[in-house]
Amino acid sequence: DIQMTQSPSSLSASVGDRVTITCRASQDINTRLAWYQQRPGRAPKALIYAASTLESGIPSKFSGSGSGTDFTLTITGLQPEDFATYYCQQYKSYPITIGQGTRLEIK
Amino acid sequence: EVQLVESGGGLVQPGGSLRVSCEASGFIFSDHYMDWVRQAPGKGLEWVGRIRKKANSYTTEYAASVRGRFTISRDDSKNSLFLHMNSLKIDDTAVYFCARVQSGSDFHLDYWGQGTLVTVSS
Repeated sequence: DIQMTQSPSSLSASVGDRVTITCRASQDINTRLAWYQQRPGRAPKALIYAASTLESGIPSKFSGSGSGTDFTLTITGLQPEDFATYYCQQYKSYPITIGQGTRLEIK
Repeated sequence: EVQLVESGGGLVQPGGSLRVSCEASGFIFSDHYMDWVRQAPGKGLEWVGRIRKKANSYTTEYAASVRGRFTISRDDSKNSLFLHMNSLKIDDTAVYFCARVQSGSDFHLDYWGQGTLVTVSS
């Protein structure tokens, strides 16, 4: 199975800040990576797929990059609604695996 | 508008069975693979399994943790997805989300339902 490791596990930031979350795959997944946002008590929401393609309706403050084993999600101009948990997911091979999540908290 | 609405969760004893459902609307259900993903209380997301569409013979994939106990099925005539869970364990306690797999060449999960809670306890 491909292991997905996110860092950091939690992150404190202020409104207006820029943050970067890293996701590392245990083997090459090309660009078969998606990022999801989950607010407390809500369903996950797709943000980015194919490592860097913005999902329809997602603002450009979110961006993704990377290929192979190392990926990043960057969020600029943090707003209160951005404080949530973020997950990366690989869909290169079965079983599909998901990172442990990065909790973004307000400082 | 794409909508996915899960139902059928509840309390079940260890070793018991339960079927949860997901009703889809706002898109051509039969054109899409569909997934189940679960989230134990206070924990992260865990992929459960996938069912492909008719053109791919409705074949399925499962996580090792549920293979042999869980079965995914679908009824395209009713725009419905099902997760049949047998031999339930306490560790299966989670919110179960259904999710649509994007059609085309990419296979990420582009829409998710709100989830249904399954509690396995004596």
